[in-house]
Amino acid sequence: SQTIHQWPATLVQPVGSPLSLECTVEGTSNPNLYWYRQAAGRGLQLLFYSVGIGQISSEVPQNLSASRPQDRQFILSSKKLLLSDSGFYLCAWSARTVRSYEQYFGPGTRLTVT
Amino acid sequence: SQQGEEDPQALSIQEGENATMNCSYKTSINNLQWYRQNSGRGLVHLILIRSNEREKHSGRLRVTLDTSKKSSSLLITASRAADTASYFCATAALGSNYKLTFGKGTLLTVNP
Repeated sequence: SQTIHQWPATLVQPVGSPLSLECTVEGTSNPNLYWYRQAAGRGLQLLFYSVGIGQISSEVPQNLSASRPQDRQFILSSKKLLLSDSGFYLCAWSARTVRSYEQYFGPGTRLTVT
Repeated sequence: SQQGEEDPQALSIQEGENATMNCSYKTSINNLQWYRQNSGRGLVHLILIRSNEREKHSGRLRVTLDTSKKSSSLLITASRAADTASYFCATAALGSNYKLTFGKGTLLTVNP
């Protein structure tokens, strides 16, 4: 069966510090990968998605970047965090072979920028 | 921008009652999905309904889709305290290239 991992689970970082959040998927090959951010009590905002290694699409201009160095690894980064980067970050995958767009989410990372 | 908008924003019911949540969207879609999120956790896929379907069932869940009104509803029958969670609709727009657009969600509280 497929599983998706995210780490760390929680993170407290000062303004101006760098960020690296990691997401890995097991049990599937060639997935589509997604990064979302969820503000408190709000819906999900799609930040980035990837349909293959090195292929990243950005949905919202921002202080963040994403990379996909391996087929099942997706990394969210920032060189200098802003207070507004605080939120709940969710990674998700979907199967590219099935055009049903169902997405499967990781447990999330709670980021607090102080 | 948000494609789906759920209504109501919050719903509180007693165990055993039915819960109905609605979702409206703006553009033509390939399919519409409902997800559940327990507090502080990731989202879990519940059910998908395609644009050419009008109703779908899965256990205690019933989803309807009215593409002429660009709206969907999720009915949870015989609710349980464990159904307490936020529920989100998500739409896959035509030609969206695997992307989903999520609404802001409905917070359902089922009181024992």
